[in-house]
Amino acid sequence: QVQLQESGPGLVKPSETLSLTCSVSGSSMSNYYWTWFRQPAGKGLEWIGRVYNSGLTNYNPSLKSRVTVSVDTSKNQFFLKLNSVTAADTAVYYCARGRVRGTSLHFDSWGQGTLVTVSS
Amino acid sequence: DIQMTQSPSSLSASVGDRVTITCRASQSITNYLNWYQQKPGKAPKLLIYDVSSLESGVPSRFSGTGSGTDFTLTISSLQPEDFATYFCQQSYSNPGFGQGTKLEIK
Repeated sequence: QVQLQESGPGLVKPSETLSLTCSVSGSSMSNYYWTWFRQPAGKGLEWIGRVYNSGLTNYNPSLKSRVTVSVDTSKNQFFLKLNSVTAADTAVYYCARGRVRGTSLHFDSWGQGTLVTVSS
Repeated sequence: DIQMTQSPSSLSASVGDRVTITCRASQSITNYLNWYQQKPGKAPKLLIYDVSSLESGVPSRFSGTGSGTDFTLTISSLQPEDFATYFCQQSYSNPGFGQGTKLEIK
């Protein structure tokens, strides 16, 4: 059974860096797109970025200047760093496993989500 | 950016009803379309990928159709556990979601 678990601070001060870790169990890290999403309260889902097991990354253009996603396959973990946060970055952050089976990239396993609040 | 628009935004229905949710893309996404279910306080759950392929373990009352720009998710006979919010997601370009359809009990 694939399990993903987010961890990291629940409170970040404005202008500082949000750092989250996603720990993966029950899955190889190979051949998947390890992805971060966020969801502000009462709103829809926003794709933040992803890393392939090779280290290749892609980011949401609206966040690209502030985001880094990386992976440590030896530890079965991947990471999110978001710089210069503001209150607008307050959201539940999810990590997910992306796969391509057939045509589209879709997300078959998700972490439970972690609320990150940006406030002084 | 490809915009995904779902309709309706909310829907009231009864157990046993047949329900259809629509998702429209701002440009053709061929068959790069997936559907998720999300319950309050929980992560999204993949229901259908590639327009119509049912994810393992998902009940057969869920089905999807469409191509190009217009897609539908149908629940053939609503069960109590189906009341949730449903999102479509395209992966023709960077992943993007519809705004969601909240399915409520009538």
